[in-house]
Amino acid sequence: DQQVKQNSPSLSVQEGRISILNCDYTNSMFDYFLWYKKYPAEGPTFLISISSIKDKNEDGRFTVFLNKSAKHLSLHIVPSQPGDSAVYFCAAKGRGGNTGKLIFGQGTTLQVKP
Amino acid sequence: DAMVIQNPRYQVTQFGKPVTLSCSQTLNHNVMYWYQQKSSQAPKLLFHYYDKDFNNEADTPDNFQSRRPNTSFCFLDIRSPGLGDAAMYLCATSRDFSETQYFGPGTRLLVL
Repeated sequence: DQQVKQNSPSLSVQEGRISILNCDYTNSMFDYFLWYKKYPAEGPTFLISISSIKDKNEDGRFTVFLNKSAKHLSLHIVPSQPGDSAVYFCAAKGRGGNTGKLIFGQGTTLQVKP
Repeated sequence: DAMVIQNPRYQVTQFGKPVTLSCSQTLNHNVMYWYQQKSSQAPKLLFHYYDKDFNNEADTPDNFQSRRPNTSFCFLDIRSPGLGDAAMYLCATSRDFSETQYFGPGTRLLVL
């Protein structure tokens, strides 16, 4: 049973336009959500996160939106740049606990065309 | 630069032949994690160490073991690799459970 899902395996956008990457989750016990970016031959790098007590978090060109009632979060990249081309993973952490365990989605490959 | 290093980057082993993957960190983080990522799938946590305390995920096969001889190093031992164990193995660290995890570049394991 996959608790975090990224239903779009790939996304292609034009440079300068908005990229929207989506993520759905099923477990209402998740209280912290993260996005990681992964370039080929590198490990995932942390991009941005959001706590379940917020519905929006912004960092430069990157904004994450959380809709708890729909169990949905999205990552907006505006404007998109060719260097943003990478695999983006959504991840979630459970409330409390003592493991720091991240539950990842399968990833979405973003291609930004010049 | 402080970082998470994984060696080797590519590992080829034979069916049933034990293999060890290595992870080291210069971040001085308390927690070290091992994730398995199969092709086009989500990374999946195998186990983690908080200092010397080891925690195995319930669905991690017994074939997978880990050692952490000191703060900086953590090893993943696969006692008898099967074809289904071919995957990318990612090591990650964090200062504490609540902190951001930093990942190494991964080791891609091929089982022949």
